[in-house]
Amino acid sequence: GENVEQHPSTLSVQEGDSAVIKCTYSDSASNYFPWYKQELGKGPQLIIDIRSNVGEKKDQRIAVTLNKTAKHFSLHITETQPEDSAVYFCAASKSGGGADGLTFGKGTHLIIQP
Amino acid sequence: NAGVTQTPKFRVLKTGQSMTLLCAQDMNHEYMYWYRQDPGMGLRLIHYSVGEGTTAKGEVPDGYNVSRLKKQNFLLGLESAAPSQTSVYFCASTRTVGWETQYFGPGTRLLVL
Repeated sequence: GENVEQHPSTLSVQEGDSAVIKCTYSDSASNYFPWYKQELGKGPQLIIDIRSNVGEKKDQRIAVTLNKTAKHFSLHITETQPEDSAVYFCAASKSGGGADGLTFGKGTHLIIQP
Repeated sequence: NAGVTQTPKFRVLKTGQSMTLLCAQDMNHEYMYWYRQDPGMGLRLIHYSVGEGTTAKGEVPDGYNVSRLKKQNFLLGLESAAPSQTSVYFCASTRTVGWETQYFGPGTRLLVL
């Protein structure tokens, strides 16, 4: 089955700096790659996603890039703010996240230092 | 519109006891999922359903059973709880197949002693 590796497990950045979280996946048939943000005591919430036919997607301060050849994708957060502090999960799916759910990475704890 | 709700929020069980976790969604979603989240392990899929009356196994189904008798509800059962099932359980739903946002509930924290 699919295996998703996520790095780093903890990332501390100064407020205003950029943060980058990287994931690799094993199954070349995966075609959907969402990123979720989880705040303490809450369920994960989708922040951005990308399909396999797209190399990059941006939404305000958040961007995701996908390299299908290398089978890795990354989350980029610019101009970080205190409210960006949370655990971030990458995920992959062969069915667009539908029929067989998502395979998640183990998460990155992002800490924004004031 | 409450989205995805889960009942109960927290429960303590003794080894061997049984319980049912309830997930409800009011978005008329076809697909529903149960995940478990353990420290340092991310979320792992237990079971899922692609429609009323259907269920399928995910990555870690052993020790769990599920039922989807109504479209809006997805039940997760533990027949004989074990300490290894201590975890936080999340339910999620999505509207239809492919490239749709999975909406997660707030989670149920389960402690098995």
